[in-house]
Amino acid sequence: KNQVEQSPQSLIILEGKNCTLQCNYTVSPFSNLRWYKQDTGRGPVSLTIMTFSENTKSNGRYTATLDADTKQSSLHITASQLSDSASYICVVSAITSGTYKYIFGTGTRLKVLA
Amino acid sequence: NAGVTQTPKFQVLKTGQSMTLQCAQDMNHEYMSWYRQDPGMGLRLIHYSVGAGITDQGEVPNGYNVSRSTTEDFPLRLLSAAPSQTSVYFCASRPGGSANTGELFFGEGSRLTVL
Repeated sequence: KNQVEQSPQSLIILEGKNCTLQCNYTVSPFSNLRWYKQDTGRGPVSLTIMTFSENTKSNGRYTATLDADTKQSSLHITASQLSDSASYICVVSAITSGTYKYIFGTGTRLKVLA
Repeated sequence: NAGVTQTPKFQVLKTGQSMTLQCAQDMNHEYMSWYRQDPGMGLRLIHYSVGAGITDQGEVPNGYNVSRSTTEDFPLRLLSAAPSQTSVYFCASRPGGSANTGELFFGEGSRLTVL
């Protein structure tokens, strides 16, 4: 069964600190993995995309990693800011017969305190 | 570009009532879809469309109807609302063909409460 599991469920950190969010998946056939940021009361917005051959990708203070062998991804946030408070959703895509299938994790809720 | 626009943002219904959630996109995207988001669960696909006149069911289609008469619009109809349909609904779209990277573009969501 295709599954995406994220940890931790929630996280509280102080402004300026770093944090790492985890995503483990069992999805086949794997196409790519995206991290989305969802602010409270808003829709998810894509942060990064990781394909099978990519190990690391950065987007400003966000760095995503992918280990295709262990089927794990992480999202590292450096020097956190209050605006980083949001839910972060890991989404793995599978392509079957040219059709995309999206498998969503339940998200990690991050709160950054001043 | 406005992106993906959903209306209404909030709605309260009584059990048995019907209503339509509207979704419009101005990016000429071929693919449009509806998801529901419930606490402790990942986004779940209700219905999707790969182009005007073509729709298909997702994993939780019961109690919902869709149609796609134009590229821009993809309304979601609740036929007879039930408390189990209390949720936040998201419309998402993406381009087709060579422009498709798999990235979904989401609307701001519609929060529905069924009493």
